[in-house]
This record gives sequence, structure tokens and C-alpha cells, in this order.
Amino acid sequence: SQQGEEDPQALSIQEGENATMNCSYKTSINNLQWYRQNSGRGLVHLILIRSNEREKHSGRLRVTLDTSKKSSSLLITASRAADTASYFCATDPSGGYQKVTFGTGTKLQVIP
Amino acid sequence: KAGVTQTPRYLIKTRGQQVTLSCSPISGHRSVSWYQQTPGQGLQFLFEYFSETQRNKGNFPGRFSGRQFSNSRSEMNVSTLELGDSALYLCASSVDFLEQYFGPGTRLTVT
Repeated sequence: SQQGEEDPQALSIQEGENATMNCSYKTSINNLQWYRQNSGRGLVHLILIRSNEREKHSGRLRVTLDTSKKSSSLLITASRAADTASYFCATDPSGGYQKVTFGTGTKLQVIP
Repeated sequence: KAGVTQTPRYLIKTRGQQVTLSCSPISGHRSVSWYQQTPGQGLQFLFEYFSETQRNKGNFPGRFSGRQFSNSRSEMNVSTLELGDSALYLCASSVDFLEQYFGPGTRLTVT
């Protein structure tokens, strides 16, 4: 079963707008990561946020983590057509060795 | 540095056959993980290897197996193929089990 569930499943926005996608997970984690997948470049790591961090930035990406709500959000500002892709969160559960688990993904379409 | 490479990129097999997929990690990466990706189930974890040892295994039947060699290259094998095994098989390597670098995948079609 999936540890993470992304919301929404699909999102369509105009170029230049901001895109926000959310990830909820079930168990305590050591860290949470976001990945992007498109047909051109495959699955690519975007950003990692540790459980003791609340917010992290990387270029046009902003990630927040709320461990009390077991949720994270990914904000892409000033979106571009090239941001069209599926976005996945991946959680690294805490409490002993467990595998990294990917969520179901959000399909983002940025319309030029 | 060269990225993660996977061979073959595309494969068509018949039910009941077996298949072996290969993955070469980024130089210096000793951890290799395998995932199955399908439209219905998303990305499902298969196995993780580190220094030739299987560190973890996902919830897949015993028909799915893998191994890692001393040069960190990895193979996965699926025996007695079923239609439901049709998927994109992704391999990823990492240094620290955190940030994973994915290969382009092997698209397996079982007919």
C-alpha cells in the first residue's frame, strides 16, 4: 500500500501561475522527498526535507512539512510549461529500518 | 558522471517466460533499489541492495528476485511472467539511501 497520498490527483494551470500539491502520509518519518517525473527526463529528485525542518526552498520550489498533521506541500512558483510532469512525494519511515515509499502522484499540466 | 543506465529499455515477452533486467548505478553509489511502476498501482518498491546484500524487499511474490554484484551493478529477474507484470521497471542508485538517482527504466510488456 502507498504510504503517501498526493492531492490533487491532477492539476491544470496557466503558465506563470503558482501550483500547490499536497502529500499526506500515515506513519512517523525521518524525512520526506519530492520527485518529478516526465517523459523526457524520467524520475528526478527535487528536494528533501527532514522531520525536524518545517520549510525548505530550492529555486522556484518551496516545501513545507507538518509532522503533527503528517502532511507536506510542494509549491512551484511562476510555473513554466517545462514544469508539466507528475510529482511524487516519498517518505522514509522512522522507527527501524523500512523502505522509502512513494505516493500516488499529482499530474501537473502547465498551459503555455 | 554517467547516470544510472538500464538495459534493455524495451522488452516484449510471452506469459510463462522469464526475464532479466540490468542496472548499472552511478559510479561510487553502492545502494541500488528497484521499483515497479504501473498506472494502477503507482511506484511499488521491489528490493534494495547495498554491497551485494539485500537490505529490504517489497511485497512481491517470489517470482521476483534480484542480486547485486561486487561492482554494484544489479539485476532483477522475473520468472513465469504474468500479464500483470507488464510495467515500467525503474532502478535507482544512491550514496546515502536518501536522494535516489533513477535510470530511464525498462518497459516490459507481457503478451
